[in-house]
Amino acid sequence: GEDVEQSLFLSVREGDSSVINCTYTDSSSTYLYWYKQEPGAGLQLLTYIFSNMDMKQDQRLTVLLNKKDKHLSLRIADTQTGDSAIYFCAEKRGGSYIPTFGRGTSLIVHP
Amino acid sequence: GAGVSQSPSNKVTEKGKDVELRCDPISGHTALYWYRQRLGQGLEFLIYFQGNSAPDKSGLPSDRFSAERTGESVSTLTIQRTQQEDSAVYLCASSYSGTGGSTEAFFGQGTRLTVV
Repeated sequence: GEDVEQSLFLSVREGDSSVINCTYTDSSSTYLYWYKQEPGAGLQLLTYIFSNMDMKQDQRLTVLLNKKDKHLSLRIADTQTGDSAIYFCAEKRGGSYIPTFGRGTSLIVHP
Repeated sequence: GAGVSQSPSNKVTEKGKDVELRCDPISGHTALYWYRQRLGQGLEFLIYFQGNSAPDKSGLPSDRFSAERTGESVSTLTIQRTQQEDSAVYLCASSYSGTGGSTEAFFGQGTRLTVV
């Protein structure tokens, strides 16, 4: 299987919370990232978490890391139409300089 | 410049022709990455440059692909004898350092390559 896996699509109603999930395979991952890609644009870093943390909160974003299960999630509170984009999970393994990306989850926010 | 700049933004080329894609990283960033993003796919690592060290070319899919970078400045990705399967968005990213730390990678907007 892929090194970093994400579901491909998520549809939510405006104002609800969105939870985007990611699993990875390498237990030596040191940093885990969430990037956002809007149509026609490059990737923008949203947030990252170091592997010795289990939670990080930044305004409407909450990242949860379960290192035992190698599971990462991104929760967006009060989702807005402007949050519609593709969200990529990425990991950087210990000893590697190269982030490995998942396929991305397309978040669709409808009124 | 303020961000990572890539040119051209779009390129249509005939099968068999060579193409050259350019990336201007953020000034002072020692690390530079090239990724390929095919339609509906994730980012596929191609090549990594760190300062004056030998590049990590482990992701280049074939010997038709090559890349250069002079010092810590501009990089060019060259695809020779393009094939239709080379059609993709080619993304460049740079970071302050590839070693340690969170080393956030800043991405350019990409070059959309279409081989007809």
